[in-house]
Amino acid sequence: AQSVAQPEDQVNVAEGNPLTVKCTYSVSGNPYLFWYVQYPNRGLQFLLKYITGDNLVKGSYGFEAEFNKSQTSFHLKKPSALVSDSALYFCAVRAGTYKYIFGTGTRLKVLA
Amino acid sequence: DTAVSQTPKYLVTQMGNDKSIKCEQNLGHDTMYWYKQDSKKFLKIMFSYNNKELIINETVPNRFSPKSPDKAHLNLHINSLELGDSAVYFCASSPDWNTEAFFGQGTRLTVV
Repeated sequence: AQSVAQPEDQVNVAEGNPLTVKCTYSVSGNPYLFWYVQYPNRGLQFLLKYITGDNLVKGSYGFEAEFNKSQTSFHLKKPSALVSDSALYFCAVRAGTYKYIFGTGTRLKVLA
Repeated sequence: DTAVSQTPKYLVTQMGNDKSIKCEQNLGHDTMYWYKQDSKKFLKIMFSYNNKELIINETVPNRFSPKSPDKAHLNLHINSLELGDSAVYFCASSPDWNTEAFFGQGTRLTVV
C-alpha cells in the first residue's frame, strides 16, 4: 500500500538553530514528493517538490529537502529557524493518477 | 486577486440539512480537487477533476456530490448533513496531475 509517514507530531527548535521535519514514504515506482506548510486558519501553501534530478531540493522561504531513495525519506530542512516558521507542515506523495496522500502533519514550534 | 477562492469561509448548519460550498480558481488550471481536513488535521483527498470530468472519487458517501460547471469552478454539494461531516473542506487546483496544488483558504463546516 502506498503511504507517507511523518513520525513526529511536533518539533520544537530554538530560533537560529537548524530544523528538520521528517517524512518517509512508500510508493510503487518513482516517487513524486511534496512539502506544504499550513498557517493557522489558512490553506496549505506549497514549499518544494522532488520529481527527479538532484537529491537536494531548494524551495520557498529558505527551506530545502533531501531525497534519500535508499531510506525512502524526504526530510524537510532549514539551516536557521525563524519564529515565523512556526506552522503545521505536511509531506505528500503522489499515489496514482490525480491522487495524493498527505502525511499526518508535523507542528513546528520555533522558540524565541 | 485570490488564486483559489472558496465560499463561504464558515458554515454552521443543523443535521439533515443540505449545503453547498463553492470554489473558483483564476489560475487557468485544468485540475481541481476537494480535500477534507478533520479535527486532528488529517488531510484526505475526496475528489479530483480534470477539465470538468470526475477522475477520482475517494470512497466518499453519495451524499457528497461535486459539480464542475466549467474548468474554473468546482462546487461541493452535501445532502443530509451528519455530525461526522464537521471538518474543514479545502478546494485546490493544479496545472496538471503531476504538479503542486494551490489551496483555497478552506471552509469550516460545523454540523450541530
